[in-house]
Amino acid sequence: TQLLEQSPQFLSIQEGENLTVYCNSSSVFSSLQWYRQEPGEGPVLLVTVVTGGEVKKLKRLTFQFGDARKDSSLHITAAQPGDTGLYLCAGGADNQGGKLIFGQGTELSVKP
Amino acid sequence: GAVVSQHPSRVICKSGTSVKIECRSLDFQATTMFWYRQFPKKSLMLMATSNEGSKATYEQGVEKDKFLINHASLTLSTLTVTSAHPEDSSFYICSGRWGAPYGYTFGSGTRLTVV
Repeated sequence: TQLLEQSPQFLSIQEGENLTVYCNSSSVFSSLQWYRQEPGEGPVLLVTVVTGGEVKKLKRLTFQFGDARKDSSLHITAAQPGDTGLYLCAGGADNQGGKLIFGQGTELSVKP
Repeated sequence: GAVVSQHPSRVICKSGTSVKIECRSLDFQATTMFWYRQFPKKSLMLMATSNEGSKATYEQGVEKDKFLINHASLTLSTLTVTSAHPEDSSFYICSGRWGAPYGYTFGSGTRLTVV
């Protein structure tokens, strides 16, 4: 069974600080997606990375896929209260019939 | 594009009754729909995968007779929680696959409270 270990699970920081969330696995994924979810809503896709070593930027968010496609990170620069939410990584593998394997999630709180 | 509409957003039901949750793909044909359960401040737990026109595939530990899934058309999948009990109270989310291999879109979720 493929697993994605996401850390940290809880993060409380002040506005303006930087942070990094990690997703690690011993298995190879064909793709890795990052989602953000607000309370009472479904997850919203932030980015999909598919190539080992790939780096994608979305404003203050930087996403990286490990060279071996076993790990990924999300870095937020100068966090703002609007970044507060649950961040989820999800891996897709060719042998999983289209299923996404989700990490445990990171509950981020950015205080003004 | 690629929108999944999930209804109802909230439902309260009495213990022992059944509740149906619907997910409709509005602008694409969802041959595959995934159903998840989520506990507060926790990640999504996959319950089952439904494919249009065939039986759903349930994850280990998920009771097939309690969580009935029907995917009779390319735009509609339903999850029925039968004989609901308070421990079934949770946030249920569906996800439609609009494009292989990376295209997934999630419904807005259903908060089920069983009293």
